[in-house]
Amino acid sequence: AQTVTQSQPEMSVQEAETVTLSCTYDTSENNYYLFWYKQPPSRQMILVIRQEAYKQQNATENRFSVNFQKAAKSFSLKISDSQLGDTAMYFCAFMPSGGYNKLIFGAGTRLAVHP
Amino acid sequence: DADVTQTPRNRITKTGKRIMLECSQTKGHDRMYWYRQDPGLGLRLIYYSFDVKDINKGEISDGYSVSRQAQAKFSLSLESAIPNQTALYFCATSAPRRGDYNEQFFGPGTRLTVL
Repeated sequence: AQTVTQSQPEMSVQEAETVTLSCTYDTSENNYYLFWYKQPPSRQMILVIRQEAYKQQNATENRFSVNFQKAAKSFSLKISDSQLGDTAMYFCAFMPSGGYNKLIFGAGTRLAVHP
Repeated sequence: DADVTQTPRNRITKTGKRIMLECSQTKGHDRMYWYRQDPGLGLRLIYYSFDVKDINKGEISDGYSVSRQAQAKFSLSLESAIPNQTALYFCATSAPRRGDYNEQFFGPGTRLTVL
């Protein structure tokens, strides 16, 4: 069975600095998708970034980028120039390719950005 | 705007009561999912459906049932609520065949408290 592990329950960062959130996963599949979701206090689930496992290039979305290490089964999220609005819970998620496209989530990392 | 809506947004009920959480979507997606979120556990899949004739149990379906009344509606029922079903519940939709990169779109969530 696939599992997703986020080893940092809480993190904090100063505004304008960079922070990296860790995620590891376990799977025997070769093709899959990885996601980072943000959940602000409004509790809405917002997709931050996605990565297809067959792509070697790391995904980037503005201030958000990932470090995808397929062999190590690692998928970390880097937030550059942190802003107060980045304060949220962040979930790493895994989706096998094909089938029912079910998402498997990690436990989450609560990020606090301080002024 | 095309959207995923959930009703109610918040609900307090008593042990033993039957309760239904409703999800509607105007995205035209065929796949719908129900998740529950608990602190320290992330989101876990309860049920999922590919169309009105396709209902599948997820990771934690015990104590829950679902109904896919139409392509756009997917309801989650707790036949006899118990306190450990207190959680935040999310509905989600997806339509991979439309080239959405398997992204799941989430509703705003329902906060359920069982006393």
